[in-house]
Amino acid sequence: AQKITQTQPGMFVQEKEAVTLDCTYDTSDPSYGLFWYKQPSSGEMIFLIYQGSYDQQNATEGRYSLNFQKARKSANLVISASQLGDSAMYFCAMREASTGTASKLTFGTGTRLQVTL
Amino acid sequence: NAGVTQTPKFQVLKTGQSMTLQCAQDMNHNSMYWYRQDPGMGLRLIYYSASEGTTDKGEVPNGYNVSRLNKREFSLRLESAAPSQTSVYFCASIKQVYSNQPQHFGDGTRLSIL
Repeated sequence: AQKITQTQPGMFVQEKEAVTLDCTYDTSDPSYGLFWYKQPSSGEMIFLIYQGSYDQQNATEGRYSLNFQKARKSANLVISASQLGDSAMYFCAMREASTGTASKLTFGTGTRLQVTL
Repeated sequence: NAGVTQTPKFQVLKTGQSMTLQCAQDMNHNSMYWYRQDPGMGLRLIYYSASEGTTDKGEVPNGYNVSRLNKREFSLRLESAAPSQTSVYFCASIKQVYSNQPQHFGDGTRLSIL
């Protein structure tokens, strides 16, 4: 079974609009962390936002926020006021505490976001 | 601060050739990782080193070897390259586990095997 599922291969959004990128996860570990990374066309991986399984509030970082629904095992990324520079591939990833000192990440297959004028 | 540095950035090999991808970090991080990225498949873990002196297999280790040369450096070796190893390779590092710290990634190495 896939540990991280991103069901939207591609998304379009108009500039200045908000967009939600979906991520669902599968784990039996009570302690885990969820990460979102952005990969622009230049190829580098840029960390955006983190949500811990025990965090009481949804994470926010500037225009990025996480809609974390623990019971549904979803951690959707919300980008507000989209900009042309937001056009990129976005990856959701999970780290389970059971991986111990390895601190390994499991990635989803990504969503390609295109921001249009 | 350079962060995570990967060399080379691009490489073309012939089938059967060998190659070592280099990775170095200057952030005093303890754990280092090698991933490969293929279209439609996200990033998959090849090998990792939880601390200096240790290495372990990840999800897709076949055809690769690694060396944690010291705390800073973690290399990935392809002994006999195959076309299936054509991919973009990323090195990453993290200082502390059990935390909310993200892995820091290098800019990647684009490897083509003919």
